[in-house]
Amino acid sequence: NAGVMQNPRHLVRRRGQEARLRCSPMKGHSHVYWYRQLPEEGLKFMVYLQKENIIDESGMPKERFSAEFPKEGPSILRIQQVVRGDSAAYFCASSPPLGTQPQHFGDGTRLSIL
Amino acid sequence: QKEVEQNSGPLSVPEGAIASLNCTYSDRVSQSFFWYRQYSGKSPELIMSIYSNGDKEDGRFTAQLNKASQYVSLLIRDSQPSDSATYLCAGTESGAGSYQLTFGKGTKLSVIP
Repeated sequence: NAGVMQNPRHLVRRRGQEARLRCSPMKGHSHVYWYRQLPEEGLKFMVYLQKENIIDESGMPKERFSAEFPKEGPSILRIQQVVRGDSAAYFCASSPPLGTQPQHFGDGTRLSIL
Repeated sequence: QKEVEQNSGPLSVPEGAIASLNCTYSDRVSQSFFWYRQYSGKSPELIMSIYSNGDKEDGRFTAQLNKASQYVSLLIRDSQPSDSATYLCAGTESGAGSYQLTFGKGTKLSVIP
C-alpha cells in the first residue's frame, strides 16, 4: 500500500493520559500536514512539517499539543493530558516537495476521550 | 468574510442529473484550489485540483475557477448514487510559504435513485 499510513485507526484514552498518533507519508512525499475534524465541523489545519523541521504550527493549540517528523520514522502528533474536547478525527496528509501539489490523506485516527 | 465558504446543503439531485457545487473564498486564500469528497466516517479523497482561471475536466467532473469573482465550482455530470457524500472545497494561502489547506465546511450531496 503506497498511500498515507496512519495508526492507530482508533484510540481511546482517559482524561489526563497521553495520546500518540503516527503518520507515514506516501512514498516520495516529504511534506506532512496534520488536520483535525471535530464532530460536525470542518477540517482545521494544525501543523506542517518536513523532515526534522516544523514549517508552520500556526494551527496548533498552544499547550499540550506537539508534533515531530524525525529523520527516520513516521511523523508523530502528541497530545498530553488529554481532555474530552480533544475527541476528534485526526488526519494526516502528505504531498511531494514541489510547490502547491495536492495533498493526499490517510484514513485518520479517531480519538475518543473517556 | 470567512476564508472559504460553501453552502452546507443538503443538495439533492436525481440520478443522471448535473450536480453543481459552489465555493467562494477570501483574498487570503487565493493560490490553488482543490475539491475533496468525504464519505461519512471516511477520510477526504482528492477529486480535482485547479490552479488557474477557467475549466478543468476529468471524466464526469469539471472544476471551474474564476479568480476575479473569487469562486470555484465543481460540476458532476450524470450523477450516481455513489456520488452521495460531502464535498469539501479547499484553498491554499497566497505567498505564505506554507501550503496548508483552508477548508470550507463542506456541501452534503444526495443523489436520489
